Amino acid sequence: KAGVTQTPRYLIKTRGQQVTLSCSPISGHRSVSWYQQTPGQGLQFLFEYFSETQRNKGNFPGRFSGRQFSNSRSEMNVSTLELGDSALYLCASSLAGQGDYGYTFGSGTRLTVV
Amino acid sequence: DAKTTQPPSMDCAEGRAANLPCNHSTISGNEYVYWYRQIHSQGPQYIIHGLKNNETNEMASLIITEDRKSSTLILPHATLRDTAVYYCIVPRAGNNRKLIWGLGTSLAVNP
Repeated sequence: KAGVTQTPRYLIKTRGQQVTLSCSPISGHRSVSWYQQTPGQGLQFLFEYFSETQRNKGNFPGRFSGRQFSNSRSEMNVSTLELGDSALYLCASSLAGQGDYGYTFGSGTRLTVV
Repeated sequence: DAKTTQPPSMDCAEGRAANLPCNHSTISGNEYVYWYRQIHSQGPQYIIHGLKNNETNEMASLIITEDRKSSTLILPHATLRDTAVYYCIVPRAGNNRKLIWGLGTSLAVNP
């Protein structure tokens, strides 16, 4: 079956711009989580969506937002980009059953802010 | 999440077993131990998880001590493709839904 698909794979943006990243989960998976990975901080949880509702949120500023559509596809948006937003952004999907942490991750979108 | 402690790096010879330890002394009775790995520039890959019994799948075996304060991930016959960063995670029980990632163990499998 198809895995988690993230688009685009690579992105270069200028400070102050905004960016939208997309994630298509595995068919039947209703939970989509987003993580930011940088060399200094490792993987940091951004937020999780389930049935079009944000269910959990990490400690990121309001410039980071997301949404989930009825087909479970998700997007995340970062406004007013800063150099420090350069990172690998990872999306993970799961069935979201109770206690289910067996996530399937996509290959990520590598964002470079210049 | 329960705090986990892993060695920062390990080496293993190709074809030998790789035993990756993890300490999670503050684990609660109903919290699972999850293992993921991340090969360079790819997304993390789920390997295995367990509660208190030993678990085995096509990728690895997970040995959890009787007091559940530590565990060991075993790759029985390591290959060069197993070179990766391995993460041991103990998610908080309940519906928190987020994983707290440490720095993991960087495993180098040498020819």
